[in-house]
Amino acid sequence: DVKVTQSSRYLVKRTGEKVFLECVQDMDHENMFWYRQDPGLGLRLIYFSYDVKMKEKGDIPEGYSVSREKKERFSLILESASTNQTSMYLCATLSSGKPQHFGDGTRLSIL
Amino acid sequence: GENVEQHPSTLSVQEGDSAVIKCTYSDSASNYFPWYKQELGKRPQLIIDIRSNVGEKKDQRIAVTLNKTAKHFSLHITETQPEDSAVYFCAASMSGGGADGLTFGKGTHLIIQP
Repeated sequence: DVKVTQSSRYLVKRTGEKVFLECVQDMDHENMFWYRQDPGLGLRLIYFSYDVKMKEKGDIPEGYSVSREKKERFSLILESASTNQTSMYLCATLSSGKPQHFGDGTRLSIL
Repeated sequence: GENVEQHPSTLSVQEGDSAVIKCTYSDSASNYFPWYKQELGKRPQLIIDIRSNVGEKKDQRIAVTLNKTAKHFSLHITETQPEDSAVYFCAASMSGGGADGLTFGKGTHLIIQP
């Protein structure tokens, strides 16, 4: 079974801090994704990556960056956290011919 | 970019009845349409998906239909049970299996009344 592990279930940070959200998968999947989920808005794609050191912007990349130095790890970075980035963040992975598989999510609060 | 509309936002049905959730998409190039179920506090999990070369797909009590001409697709759940209560999301992708990411609808909260 695919295992997608997000480093924290809950995280509280302060405005202006640099925040790192980590995602690790154990199935050698090529594609990895970061979404944010907000009530009434569904899931929205922030960034995705289809290979090591490759990254592509999704629908709402502003205020975020990503890093993929190793195939199994995809990091989401909030360069200077703001209160409107308080949200649930979901990582997902995909291998060719298979559906996207999600991690348990990180609930991030920016105070 | 792609836009996915989902209706209704809340659906309440009696246990044993059928439930239907509808989605429309804007880009005719979309060719992959998955449905995810999310229980409270848990991750979204795929329950069924359909590709544009197929009009209907069924898996036990769950079925999905796709009308490419009208650009809409629907989830049908028959003989609903209490464990079907959850939030359901439809999604669309132009990259076959979602390799370029998924565009999601805003979700439907399905409530099964005993």
